[in-house]
Amino acid sequence: GNSVTQMEGPVTLSEEAFLTINCTYTATGYPSLFWYVQYPGEGLQLLLKATKADDKGSNKGFEATYRKETTSFHLEKGSVQVSDSAVYFCALSGGETSGSRLTFGEGTQLTVNP
Amino acid sequence: NAGVTQTPKFQVLKTGQSMTLQCAQDMNHEYMSWYRQDPGMGLRLIHYSVGAGITDQGEVPNGYNVSRSTTEDFPLRLLSAAPSQTSVYFCASRTWGRGSTEAFFGQGTRLTVV
Repeated sequence: GNSVTQMEGPVTLSEEAFLTINCTYTATGYPSLFWYVQYPGEGLQLLLKATKADDKGSNKGFEATYRKETTSFHLEKGSVQVSDSAVYFCALSGGETSGSRLTFGEGTQLTVNP
Repeated sequence: NAGVTQTPKFQVLKTGQSMTLQCAQDMNHEYMSWYRQDPGMGLRLIHYSVGAGITDQGEVPNGYNVSRSTTEDFPLRLLSAAPSQTSVYFCASRTWGRGSTEAFFGQGTRLTVV
């Protein structure tokens, strides 16, 4: 079945630092890949997505590239802000077996200090 | 648009009590699902539905029932609450059949079973 593995957290950074959160996946076929963000006390919301190999998703300064050869979709941001503090989830859907079902990673708690 | 609305936001139950978590969406999405979020485990799929009258089990269905009588509503029932069901519950909806579409989440229900 499908699975998603995220880097172990939590991650604590100073403002303006560079962020990388690693995500690797296992799936058959050609899944779509997502990053969702959860701000404190809220539900998840889509941050960015990529639907085919070599696609780059981007939003709010965050980027991730769909790497089929390494089965990865790492999240990056060049300069984080305090307002980026949240939990980040990597997820996939589609491929040959799961249809619209979303499979999530464990989540990575990011704290950005002033 | 309201998007996905969940009620209640917080609930405390005694062991053995039953309750229903409500979920409604106004986007005419075919696919609706329930997840539970536990520390270090990401989001796990409880039940899902691909349309009115059609439901199926996810990864962790035991102790939960669902029904889908309309496109808009997808309630989750706890038949006899147990402390292991203490969690945060999220309802989500998306367009069915296209794995690349965005899932929309409610704000969550924080349930404590004592």
